[in-house]
Amino acid sequence: SQELEQSPQSLIVQEGKNLTINCTSSKTLYGLYWYKQKYGEGLIFLMMLQKGGEEKSHEKITAKLDEKKQQSSLHITASQPSHAGIYLCGADVDGGSQGNLIFGKGTKLSVKP
Amino acid sequence: EAGVAQSPRYKIIEKRQSVAFWCNPISGHATLYWYQQILGQGPKLLIQFQNNGVVDDSQLPKDRFSAERLKGVDSTLKIQPAKLEDSAVYLCASSYQPGQYTDTQYFGPGTRLTVL
Repeated sequence: SQELEQSPQSLIVQEGKNLTINCTSSKTLYGLYWYKQKYGEGLIFLMMLQKGGEEKSHEKITAKLDEKKQQSSLHITASQPSHAGIYLCGADVDGGSQGNLIFGKGTKLSVKP
Repeated sequence: EAGVAQSPRYKIIEKRQSVAFWCNPISGHATLYWYQQILGQGPKLLIQFQNNGVVDDSQLPKDRFSAERLKGVDSTLKIQPAKLEDSAVYLCASSYQPGQYTDTQYFGPGTRLTVL
């Protein structure tokens, strides 16, 4: 089974609408990373969360970490076409001893103008 | 600050041929990672180097894949011979140095490999 589950798998929203993407881990989270990827390209780092209850924002994107639920959410406010892409969560599930990350399958976001 | 560089960006080969990818990490980053990302999947770690030593290569198919990081800077990943299932994007990432908590990994643009 997938260790890191993302939902939804894909999302189509109208420009200006808010949206939320979730990432749930089956293992203890020591760090949670959100990346954005354009099709077939590299990953662009968005945010890192380490502490339970931590919340970070950058421009119109906010990410939260719920340590008890082993879950993180990524919220985009007033979506724009520039937000379109694949959002990937990556998690450190071994306490950072080696720095390895496991990744979810990604959520594909399309924003209709 | 220059990001992670990778080349080539695209490569098309026939099965049973060999191919090599190159990565230059962010200056000063001790740790380098190679990931394989198959279409529709998240990246999967193939190998991790810290300086010029291998930290984790447990998911590297060693019968056909090899990687090296001579002098602890640039790295090459090789596939020989390639199979159809090796078609994927190969991503290189680097981080300053993992410590108690994982350092942020910064990714290159990737190399898209198509095996025919």
